[in-house]
Amino acid sequence: GQQLNQSPQSMFIQEGEDVSMNCTSSSIFNTWLWYKQDPGEGPVLLIALYKAGELTSNGRLTAQFGITRKDSFLNISASIPSDVGIYFCAVFTGTASKLTFGTGTRLQVTL
Amino acid sequence: DAGVIQSPRHEVTEMGQEVTLRCKPISGHDYLFWYRQTMMRGLELLIYFNNNVPIDDSGMPEDRFSAKMPNASFSTLKIQPSEPRDSAVYFCASSLLRRSNEQFFGPGTRLTVL
Repeated sequence: GQQLNQSPQSMFIQEGEDVSMNCTSSSIFNTWLWYKQDPGEGPVLLIALYKAGELTSNGRLTAQFGITRKDSFLNISASIPSDVGIYFCAVFTGTASKLTFGTGTRLQVTL
Repeated sequence: DAGVIQSPRHEVTEMGQEVTLRCKPISGHDYLFWYRQTMMRGLELLIYFNNNVPIDDSGMPEDRFSAKMPNASFSTLKIQPSEPRDSAVYFCASSLLRRSNEQFFGPGTRLTVL
């Protein structure tokens, strides 16, 4: 099946630092989504991207739809403790509503 | 709105026992999804329904797994008989529109099969 590889697998950063992570695939997609999963909870949608090259922000979060349509990037500025969690990219594959999730990037923020 | 409700939150059972996980989607949502999350395989879609009808069950691992949606406000995922490798967190999610970007996830059921 489709494989979405996320990098890095995990990150340990200090509060206030900026964070960058990416998601890559060997296939082209028309929509890229970024979800966050808090510990013990289900994923929550952060940002949706619809067009190659698109840059979209949601507060301190900024995501970009790669120009090749095979990748996407997520940046978090001035990290805070509540940013802790697992960040997933996701794309639609197969049937219309089927989401495939990436391998995830686990973020830890220290004070 | 209460969001997607799942029960139980935790389930511990012995190998060979039947397990039933329950989900109540957000009222008015017409898509319902069942996912499984493990360390090895990540978050994977098992099956999804549209207007109570199963649309894609290609992710269901084997015949021991079955899912039903008898009405718009209730769905079950059943494992019979359960095996230790079924241990995982099972999520239910719902959404309102076809190809809706925002699937709303429940808190999950953590299943441990001994």
